[in-house]
Amino acid sequence: NAGVMQNPRHLVRRRGQEARLRCSPMKGHSHVYWYRQLPEEGLKFMVYLQKENIIDESGMPKERFSAEFPKEGPSILRIQQVVRGDSAAYFCASSPSDRGEETQYFGPGTRLLVL
Amino acid sequence: AQSVTQPDIHITVSEGASLELRCNYSYGATPYLFWYVQSPGQGLQLLLKYFSGDTLVQGIKGFEAEFKRSQSSFNLRKPSVHWSDAAEYFCAVGAKGNNAGKSTFGDGTTLTVKP
Repeated sequence: NAGVMQNPRHLVRRRGQEARLRCSPMKGHSHVYWYRQLPEEGLKFMVYLQKENIIDESGMPKERFSAEFPKEGPSILRIQQVVRGDSAAYFCASSPSDRGEETQYFGPGTRLLVL
Repeated sequence: AQSVTQPDIHITVSEGASLELRCNYSYGATPYLFWYVQSPGQGLQLLLKYFSGDTLVQGIKGFEAEFKRSQSSFNLRKPSVHWSDAAEYFCAVGAKGNNAGKSTFGDGTTLTVKP
């Protein structure tokens, strides 16, 4: 059973460009969480999605950021008009249910660098 | 709101010495508690988790953690550290109930192991 997959692993963008980060959850997992890790900091929750639904986006910046988890295909975190402050590692995690005790399995992350 | 504090930003121990990493949490009830390890450039790997029952939890790689409700702590321990344990360690707290899978992370403790 392949783990959580994220691509690309590294992404370089210039200010004003768009960044698209993809996450394929573990097989059988329909719950996806996105986290952002700024340098020297812990992970900060961004958004929680189930198939075709955004359940909790309380950690998402109000502008430029969006996420989706379509019926088919990976979850996508999209950042429009990137700025230098968006440079960070973005991690995706998946779980088979939404219960708090459920183990979340993390992907290797996408490291975004904005020039 | 839940929160996690890891008081030690950086800890250095000699190989073979014992280790204790501190974690304090804030939560209105008995929380779900997790410890993760992150090697450079990698995602997070779950070491252990606590939900209920025995307050001393055993994890992988010889790690254990003890939940102390009176101190709101969940410290991670290992009796004898190996050079391969050098990494960053994150404590996290999860909420209970449905739609509660998102976790709140501490800022991490970086462990350096001296030969």
